[in-house]
Amino acid sequence: AQTVTQSQPEMSVQEAETVTLSCTYDTSESDYYLFWYKQPPSRQMILVIRQEAYKQQNATENRFSVNFQKAAKSFSLKISDSQLGDAAMYFCAYRALFTSGTYKYIFGTGTRLKVLA
Amino acid sequence: SQTIHQWPATLVQPVGSPLSLECTVEGTSNPNLYWYRQAAGRGLQLLFYSVGIGQISSEVPQNLSASRPQDRQFILSSKKLLLSDSGFYLCAWSAQGLDQPQHFGDGTRLSIL
Repeated sequence: AQTVTQSQPEMSVQEAETVTLSCTYDTSESDYYLFWYKQPPSRQMILVIRQEAYKQQNATENRFSVNFQKAAKSFSLKISDSQLGDAAMYFCAYRALFTSGTYKYIFGTGTRLKVLA
Repeated sequence: SQTIHQWPATLVQPVGSPLSLECTVEGTSNPNLYWYRQAAGRGLQLLFYSVGIGQISSEVPQNLSASRPQDRQFILSSKKLLLSDSGFYLCAWSAQGLDQPQHFGDGTRLSIL
């Protein structure tokens, strides 16, 4: 069964510095997508970045980038030049086509990021 | 552009009362629809998903049910709420296709007294 693991319940980073959030997953599928979502205190879920399993190039969105290691089944999120507005819960998610013919997402348990001024 | 509406934002209900949370999507057709529950400080638990009108799949046995009476309408219901039904409920939609992300509503905070 597919699983997503975020082993860091909480992380802290100083403003303007860089932080990396870890995510590992387990799957036997060859084609899938991985996502990072951000959930600020307002609790709205916001898509941060996505990565296709077939693409070797790591995805980048402004200050956010991923380190995708397919063989190791690792998908970490790097936040550069951290800002106070980055403080949130971050969820790693995996999406694949299941045998039911449906695309489903599996979410990790989240990492709470604190940004220190 | 596509939008998702979820209501109410907050709900306080007594134990044993019924529940109806509604979610609608605009600007797209034939979306995949999802209901999640999030306990305080925890991850997302998938409750139900739907790939079409009248097609509902349940992920976990529980006191809740879901219905999809129209293409872009997804309803979460209960006949009798339990204390354990308290939580934050999120509706989400996605387009067909492996690369499509989920788009979430603003959520409903449900408190059972």
